[in-house]
This record gives sequence, structure tokens and C-alpha cells, in this order.
Amino acid sequence: AQKVTQAQTEISVVEKEDVTLDCVYETRDTTYYLFWYKQPPSGELVFLIRRNSFDEQNEISGRYSWNFQKSTSSFNFTITASQVVDSAVYFCALLGGYNFNKFYFGSGTKLNVKP
Amino acid sequence: GAVVSQHPSWVICKSGTSVKIECRSLDFQATTMFWYRQFPKQSLMLMATSNEGSKATYEQGVEKDKFLINHASLTLSTLTVTSAHPEDSSFYICSATSRLINSPLHFGNGTRLTVT
Repeated sequence: AQKVTQAQTEISVVEKEDVTLDCVYETRDTTYYLFWYKQPPSGELVFLIRRNSFDEQNEISGRYSWNFQKSTSSFNFTITASQVVDSAVYFCALLGGYNFNKFYFGSGTKLNVKP
Repeated sequence: GAVVSQHPSWVICKSGTSVKIECRSLDFQATTMFWYRQFPKQSLMLMATSNEGSKATYEQGVEKDKFLINHASLTLSTLTVTSAHPEDSSFYICSATSRLINSPLHFGNGTRLTVT
């Protein structure tokens, strides 16, 4: 079974603070992909990152960084020096299954960045 | 630019009518498409996975006769909400990808359906 858990429903921070969004997943697949998406109030999904199960290297992109720990089945997302424009709902997602035909999302974490 | 076009972006219909939502891949062959619905302040719930030329695979609890999915070509998948009722009002989003191992997943901008 595939499952993605984002335990943090909502987080509020003040601008310039660092914030980490947690993501824990479950899968029986040996090959799978993990994603993070941002969904602003307008509703569209903005792709942030994809990571395959064999690549545990952490990644940094500007103020964003991701920590993939296979041992704990976690794929956490950190925003450094948060900005008001970062306010959105962030989803972690898992692509797996036979022929990668299962693509499940976590429940999302709403991030509020206050000025 | 957008590589998955979803149309319409919003639709209002009367209870009992059917609504068709289109999802088109613009510059790649989408062998697999995912359909989701999202209620306000909730996550994206996978409804079904469709592979080109074959029947869609529905998630548990999703009525296949209610939500008809057709993926007849490599660039187009449609979701038809049949005999819509107010409880079908939701945000529907499609996602498309090809079978290439490193193929990205692209999302449409969603369709907001309101059934009156």
C-alpha cells in the first residue's frame, strides 16, 4: 500500500524564519518517486522537486532544500528565510505501483508566512 | 509554459446534467493520466489512473459509472461527471506523464465544478 503522511496541518511563521515541512511515506515498491508541490490560493499545482528512490542526495535550490532519508521513509522540505510569497499549501506526493500507476498525495501543510 | 491544458477551468451546471472535463498534453505523449478531486482545504484524492487505449483503473470508493474516464489518444483524456449532483461540486485536476523513466508529471490548472 502507498501512503503519504504530512502530520503538520498548518504552520505559521514570521518572515525570515526557517521552516521545515515534514513528509513521511509508506510503500512496498523498491523504485518510486517522491515529489513536493506548492498550491497557492489560485489552485494550480506548482512543481518543486522530484526525487527517485535511489537518489538520497539532499538537494538545495535557492532558499529551498530537501532531505531524503530512506531509513526513516522521510522526505522533508525546508524553506530558509521564509517570505510572505511562500504562503501556500504544500503537498508531498509519492509515485509508485505497477508501472508507476499510483500517484498519491499527502494531506498537505498550509504554510502562513506573516510579515 | 503549460504543457497540460485542462478545460474548462470552471463550470456551473444544473443537477442531473453531465459535464465533460478535458485534459490535453500539449507537447508530449501522455501514456498515463491521473484524475483527482480536491475538496476545499483538503488534499488531492486520486480518483483514477488512465492509460492510453485501456480502461481506467479506479480507486476504491470512486463510482466508475458516475465518473467516466476516456483516454482514447496519447494527448487527450476526458472525465465526464454523469448526472451531476451538488455533492459532486469540487475541484478536479488532471496530471499527465509519459512512460519514460525520467518523465516529469505535469498538472492541469484544474476545473472548478459547481452543481446547482
